[in-house]
Amino acid sequence: AQSVTQLDSQVPVFEEAPVELRCNYSSSVSVYLFWYVQYPNQGLQLLLKYLSGSTLVKGINGFEAEFNKSQTSFHLRKPSVHISDTAEYFCAVRAMNRDDKIIFGKGTRLHILP
Amino acid sequence: DAGVIQSPRHEVTEMGQEVTLRCKPISGHDYLFWYRQTMMRGLELLIYFNNNVPIDDSGMPEDRFSAKMPNASFSTLKIQPSEPRDSAVYFCASSSTPNYGYTFGSGTRLTVV
Repeated sequence: AQSVTQLDSQVPVFEEAPVELRCNYSSSVSVYLFWYVQYPNQGLQLLLKYLSGSTLVKGINGFEAEFNKSQTSFHLRKPSVHISDTAEYFCAVRAMNRDDKIIFGKGTRLHILP
Repeated sequence: DAGVIQSPRHEVTEMGQEVTLRCKPISGHDYLFWYRQTMMRGLELLIYFNNNVPIDDSGMPEDRFSAKMPNASFSTLKIQPSEPRDSAVYFCASSSTPNYGYTFGSGTRLTVV
């Protein structure tokens, strides 16, 4: 079975500062990895995904994530955050097998400070 | 494309009443997922369907919960009888293939008083 750990439940950061949201996963097989964003009172939106190939993945709104197989991590980064990035961010994993479920982490709430 | 459509957006009901949540997936998507989100437990997968057939319902909390997908364009999640601890936001999501991630609806906020 797969699991996802988001190490920080909340991350405060000043506007225009860089941010990193941490995600580690556990799996005995190869995986696909995802980051989703949930703005207040909305559903989850796919931010980016890693399926194969380059370990650096670029997503929407200037976010990127790097897959590190040896450290089983998939941390999300943005060089300069904006107030509109205030949201909850979910890391997710799915095994490369017939199990079609995506397993979500518990989320990290990003607070942008003025 | 209108995306995944859920109704109602908000539902307030009294304990013991039956509640039915509805979902219309994106046309052509053959996977449909029901999730529940609470502050305490985060995002929980309740059940998912592939080609209208339930594949995994291990996340359904108890017999009070049931889900159906009578055709490719409609699914329901029913709670009978409802209890205050069922209060949560319920999301429906669909996918043409899980490799590409899911598209979520806007959710139904359920409050049981």
